[in-house]
Amino acid sequence: GESVGLHLPTLSVQEGDNSIINCAYSNSASDYFIWYKQESGKGPQFIIDIRSNMDKRQGQRVTVLLNKTVKHLSLQIAATQPGDSAVYFCAEKRGGSQGNLIFGKGTKLSVKP
Amino acid sequence: EAGVAQSPRYKIIEKRQSVAFWCNPISGHATLYWYQQILGQGPKLLIQFQNNGVVDDSQLPKDRFSAERLKGVDSTLKIQPAKLEDSAVYLCASSVAGNYGYTFGSGTRLTVV
Repeated sequence: GESVGLHLPTLSVQEGDNSIINCAYSNSASDYFIWYKQESGKGPQFIIDIRSNMDKRQGQRVTVLLNKTVKHLSLQIAATQPGDSAVYFCAEKRGGSQGNLIFGKGTKLSVKP
Repeated sequence: EAGVAQSPRYKIIEKRQSVAFWCNPISGHATLYWYQQILGQGPKLLIQFQNNGVVDDSQLPKDRFSAERLKGVDSTLKIQPAKLEDSAVYLCASSVAGNYGYTFGSGTRLTVV
């Protein structure tokens, strides 16, 4: 069925290294994607978004890449810090501005000091 | 600006009992969402409101779940009667009408025993 999912359930990196979290989506009509960070006991927190007319967007220490040909999304975190430890979700917007977000299962990022 | 407020933070009930959750969105946000997040999974949309009207409730188990947003501001989500599988975190989110970005509350963790 149509869904947004992630390749790996867990990712462990050394502090200071770069992290890459991947996401696959199946609905080619989706036009907007968001990465969220969720810490234990908290709601999802917006990290970065990208529209389907773009293939790359950069924020502070984070970069999102979109490959529409293979329906793949990735989140790159530069110089990963212990505070980056959390579960990361990609979400797909369907139905235009009145649509809602469809979330994948999430990847748990652990940062080793 | 103040965030999305939710209460209670935690609730433990026995199966077949009823429970209600409350959400106060960010001031001026016309769109309000309720999501269910089962442990280890991404959030799943239950219902979407635009002001006090329902936009999407296709995934709401209407035989036991109900939600309202009578004055287009606060919202309540009710479960009656609760089942064991309803144990989850219930997240409320809001956005400016037509805006792609959501802000989530911290959620209510429900345990049904």
